[in-house]
Amino acid sequence: GESVGLHLPTLSVQEGDNSIINCAYSNSASDYFIWYKQESGKGPQFIIDIRSNMDKRQGQRVTVLLNKTVKHLSLQIAATQPGDSAVYFCAERGNGQNFVFGPGTRLSVLP
Amino acid sequence: NAGVTQTPKFQVLKTGQSMTLQCAQDMNHEYMSWYRQDPGMGLRLIHYSVGAGITDQGEVPNGYNVSRSTTEDFPLRLLSAAPSQTSVYFCASRYGTDTGNTIYFGEGSWLTVV
Repeated sequence: GESVGLHLPTLSVQEGDNSIINCAYSNSASDYFIWYKQESGKGPQFIIDIRSNMDKRQGQRVTVLLNKTVKHLSLQIAATQPGDSAVYFCAERGNGQNFVFGPGTRLSVLP
Repeated sequence: NAGVTQTPKFQVLKTGQSMTLQCAQDMNHEYMSWYRQDPGMGLRLIHYSVGAGITDQGEVPNGYNVSRSTTEDFPLRLLSAAPSQTSVYFCASRYGTDTGNTIYFGEGSWLTVV
């Protein structure tokens, strides 16, 4: 899950396994959530989004689950590949129009 | 389309110097914003703009200035650089503020203040 501090939490998975990255968000009024992938030296890239009136949304190899009861978001990556190695972070849109970003989780794919 | 373009990619400044990070987008997006990213922390909003001629402060605006004279451009000015402003800066844009309008980021500007 998300943590505050200088060190990112790291998830190491074997190539071909499924990955689950978690995010705890803070604002129960948040109505829109996005997962981003950030590779080293690059800007964040959109992966998938979900509105608060949904519990689940699927993309290509990725699924986002939203549990509003416990304010928890997860990103599932199926059949993780070396190219999936990156930092993943969630963003929530709370009050107003701006997003709040989590610190991220580093995903490391082992050969 | 180029998307969101930031310059420069890398910059070293001395304490007290001023500089401008440039940002341009060619997607006709109304909403533009600047974030800074520090180790182990999420992106923090510095300033944002919901349209030409309109700017507002984000979470960490001190020491930074912005303007939005055109839809395309949103420069970020460091007025008197301090070591605490050493960071990676990202410009971002999106079409509108409605749900479903995702944010597009530039490639980042690495700034070191010595």
